[in-house]
Amino acid sequence: SQQGEEDPQALSIQEGENATMNCSYKTSINNLQWYRQNSGRGLVHLILIRSNEREKHSGRLRVTLDTSKKSSSLLITASRAADTASYFCATDAGSGNTPLVFGKGTRLSVIA
Amino acid sequence: KAGVTQTPRYLIKTRGQQVTLSCSPISGHRSVSWYQQTPGQGLQFLFEYFSETQRNKGNFPGRFSGRQFSNSRSEMNVSTLELGDSALYLCASSLGEFKPQHFGDGTRLSIL
Repeated sequence: SQQGEEDPQALSIQEGENATMNCSYKTSINNLQWYRQNSGRGLVHLILIRSNEREKHSGRLRVTLDTSKKSSSLLITASRAADTASYFCATDAGSGNTPLVFGKGTRLSVIA
Repeated sequence: KAGVTQTPRYLIKTRGQQVTLSCSPISGHRSVSWYQQTPGQGLQFLFEYFSETQRNKGNFPGRFSGRQFSNSRSEMNVSTLELGDSALYLCASSLGEFKPQHFGDGTRLSIL
């Protein structure tokens, strides 16, 4: 199946440092999305990047997309303890009316 | 604007029983998707409804079913519960394809 795979599975950093998470996928896409999930809660949409975009920013978040390598990265700058969560990438199948497929996520711990 | 509401938040059932979970999407959202989240399998797509029609279905047995009402509210039903059905069931609504999904906080289902 076309599933995004995040790397690393877990990441632990100090407050103020930058955190980088990567996502690889298998087939062509229309867009790639990143979501955050705090423990015991639902997912929260962070950012959507279209297949014809290479980089996108939103506050402290920077997402890049390399369709030739079928990969994306999420950078969180100047991390805070509140950024502690699991981060998922999600891809569509490239054609209409197909469901999003989520990876298994990166567990980020930001230590104060 | 109210977010996606899922009820109940927690549920304990025994093997062989059946369960119905409810999801109220964000007002104006006609697409509702359901996901099962477990530590081992991650987020797995169950089905998506759009305007009361099932538009997509994941690879789950027929014990898992759903429906959507004219007001876009959705329910999912699991019959003949098995221990492996213990999971967090998440509902998400969106404005349509290629749009961000907005998640509820889920229903935590435990099977004894």
